[in-house]
Amino acid sequence: DIQMTQSPSSLSASLGDRVTITCRASQGISNYLAWFQQKPGKAPKSLIYAASSLQSGVPSKFSGSGSGTDFTLTISSLQPEDSATYYCQQYNNYPLTFGGGTKVEIK
Amino acid sequence: EVQLVESGGGLVQPGGSLRLSCTGSGFTFSDHYMDWVRQAPGKGLQWVGRSRDKANSYTTEYAVSVNGRFTISRDESKNSLYLQMDSLKNEDTAVYYCTRSTYLQNSGYYFDCWGQGTQVTVSS
Repeated sequence: DIQMTQSPSSLSASLGDRVTITCRASQGISNYLAWFQQKPGKAPKSLIYAASSLQSGVPSKFSGSGSGTDFTLTISSLQPEDSATYYCQQYNNYPLTFGGGTKVEIK
Repeated sequence: EVQLVESGGGLVQPGGSLRLSCTGSGFTFSDHYMDWVRQAPGKGLQWVGRSRDKANSYTTEYAVSVNGRFTISRDESKNSLYLQMDSLKNEDTAVYYCTRSTYLQNSGYYFDCWGQGTQVTVSS
C-alpha cells in the first residue's frame, strides 16, 4: 500500500497568514493527488484534484503543487472559515489511501 | 445540482449485517465511478471500496480489511449504490460516506462529490 504522510499534524496560524501543508507519498504517484477539507461533524469537501487543479466553486486562495512523491496545499490568506482538518489522498493505486490529516486552527 | 444521499445506517451486533444505500441525483449515475469511504470516531478517512462505471461493467475493488465481508453493488434504475456489510466487527464502527468520481484525461478518476454520511455502530 502507498503510505501518505502529512505534516504538520496540526498548526495554529493568524488571520491573513499564508499556510502550507505537506503531503509525502511512500512511492511515486505522478500527479494523482487530491486534497479535502473537513469541518467538525460535516462531510469532507473536495478542494483540489490532480495535485493542482481546483474543484469547481473552490476559492482561489487554495492552491496545490507537486508531483511524484512530494505535494503541498497552500492557503494564501487564512480566514476563520478555513479552520478545519485537511486530508491528502492518492488515487494512483489501489487501495486508495489518505494522509492522517492536518488540523488548522486560528490563533 | 449534484447530490448524494446515504441511508441505512444504525446499530448492529458484532457478526450481524447491514445494507447501506446511496442515491444520486443531478447527474448520470451510470457514467461515474462510485466509492465508499468511512471514518471511525475521532479518526481519519479510510477508503472502503469502489464500483466502476457501466462502461467498465460496474466491476469492484475493496480494501483488504473488508474484502470478503462487504459487497458493493448498484441498481441503475434507482440511481443507487449499495454497501452490503456482513460479519460486522466492532472496528467497522464509523460514519460511511459515498463519493462520486469524475474522470479527466491526465487527471485520472478523482473524488468530486460526497454524501452527508450515515452512522454505523457495531456493538453488543
